[in-house]
Amino acid sequence: AQSVTQLGSHVSVSEGALVLLRCNYSSSVPPYLFWYVQYPNQGLQLLLKYTTGATLVKGINGFEAEFKKSETSFHLTKPSAHMSDAAEYFCAVSDRDTNAGKSTFGDGTTLTVKP
Amino acid sequence: NAGVTQTPKFQVLKTGQSMTLQCAQDMNHEYMSWYRQDPGMGLRLIHYSVGAGITDQGEVPNGYNVSRSTTEDFPLRLLSAAPSQTSVYFCASSYAGDRDGQYFGPGTRLTVT
Repeated sequence: AQSVTQLGSHVSVSEGALVLLRCNYSSSVPPYLFWYVQYPNQGLQLLLKYTTGATLVKGINGFEAEFKKSETSFHLTKPSAHMSDAAEYFCAVSDRDTNAGKSTFGDGTTLTVKP
Repeated sequence: NAGVTQTPKFQVLKTGQSMTLQCAQDMNHEYMSWYRQDPGMGLRLIHYSVGAGITDQGEVPNGYNVSRSTTEDFPLRLLSAAPSQTSVYFCASSYAGDRDGQYFGPGTRLTVT
C-alpha cells in the first residue's frame, strides 16, 4: 500500500523568501506524483505532476518539484514567496499499475506568507 | 466548460436522515472519485468509478453508496447520516486515469447533528 508523508503541517515564510514544502512517499514502485493547492473554501487545483522523464518538473504560479527516487521524495519549491501563495498544499501519489483515477493524499501543509 | 460541479454547497442533516450529494462533470472524463476531507487528515477516498456502470470502494466506504449510470454524473448517497460523517466532500474526475491528475469540484460542506 502506498503512503504519503508531508513533513510540517504548518510552514511560515516571509514574502520574497524561499518556499520549501516536503513530501516523502512509500511505495514498492515509484508512483505518479502530484502537488495540489487548496485556497480557503475551494476545491483542490493541480499545481504540477511527475509521471516520467525529467525529474525536475515545473508547474503553475512559479512552483517546481524534483523527484528523487533514492530519497523517495518529491519536495515542492518556489524561489520567492508571494502573499497570494498562502494556501494549503497537498502531496499525492497514484499507482502506476492500477490506473483507476484515484490518489492517496498526504495530510497537507498550510503555508503562511508574512509581509 | 463548467468543469466539476457539486450540489449542494452546504447541508445540515439530523442523525439518521439520508441524502444524496450530486456531482457532475462536462469534460467527458471516464474516471470519477469521491473524497472526504477532515481537519489534519488530508483527503480520504470513499468510492471511485472507472466508467459508467463500474464502481468500487475506496479507503472509507462504510455508510456511503454510489452509482454511475452516465459518464457525466456520480452521486454519493448517505444512507443513514451519523455525526462521524460531518466533513467536506469533494468529487473529482480525470480523463486518463491516474497519470494526469484530477479535477476537483468546489466541495459540499456537510454537518450532521
